[in-house]
Amino acid sequence: KQEVTQIPAALSVPEGENLVLNCSFTDSAIYNLQWFRQDPGKGLTSLLLIQSSQREQTSGRLNASLDKSSGRSTLYIAASQPGDSATYLCAVRGNYGQNFVFGPGTRLSVLP
Amino acid sequence: EAGVAQSPRYKIIEKRQSVAFWCNPISGHATLYWYQQILGQGPKLLIQFQNNGVVDDSQLPKDRFSAERLKGVDSTLKIQPAKLEDSAVYLCASSSPDSPPYTGELFFGEGSRLTVL
Repeated sequence: KQEVTQIPAALSVPEGENLVLNCSFTDSAIYNLQWFRQDPGKGLTSLLLIQSSQREQTSGRLNASLDKSSGRSTLYIAASQPGDSATYLCAVRGNYGQNFVFGPGTRLSVLP
Repeated sequence: EAGVAQSPRYKIIEKRQSVAFWCNPISGHATLYWYQQILGQGPKLLIQFQNNGVVDDSQLPKDRFSAERLKGVDSTLKIQPAKLEDSAVYLCASSSPDSPPYTGELFFGEGSRLTVL
């Protein structure tokens, strides 16, 4: 059974810092991995999707990497801004079904 | 392109009452998911549909929860009777096809927040 963990659970940084969020999964037989952002009281917004054959994906100030063999993905946020404050979740989709398993999220606060 | 639509956004009910949530996925998305998200946790899958068939409902409390997607498009999730521990956000999601030019990406609606008193 796939299990997904995210470290740290919460993070507070001053504006302008570069930061890394971590996602770990127990079963490396994945189809893809997706990073989401969730603002309070809102649904999840897709940030980046990495297919199992890919090593990384980039969108603006965001870069996500995937290392299937070690069961890890990282989300790198460059030059953080107060508007980046939100909860960031990763989800892993297995090879043998289309179910996405979610981590508990990392709550990020970027201080002005 | 319209996103995943959900209603109602908020619902407050007494325990033992019933409630229903509605979801309309992105046009062309065959796979539809219902997730339950308790405050401070990641979403947990309740049920997954492929067109109008159930793919996975192993975590759906079937004594009180039911879901249907009769015509393979929109879907309804029902809770009857509700318990206090059902207080959560119910998220509907759909995924794009896997075959190119699609990527199998997952898209969410805004969610329906349920409070059971």
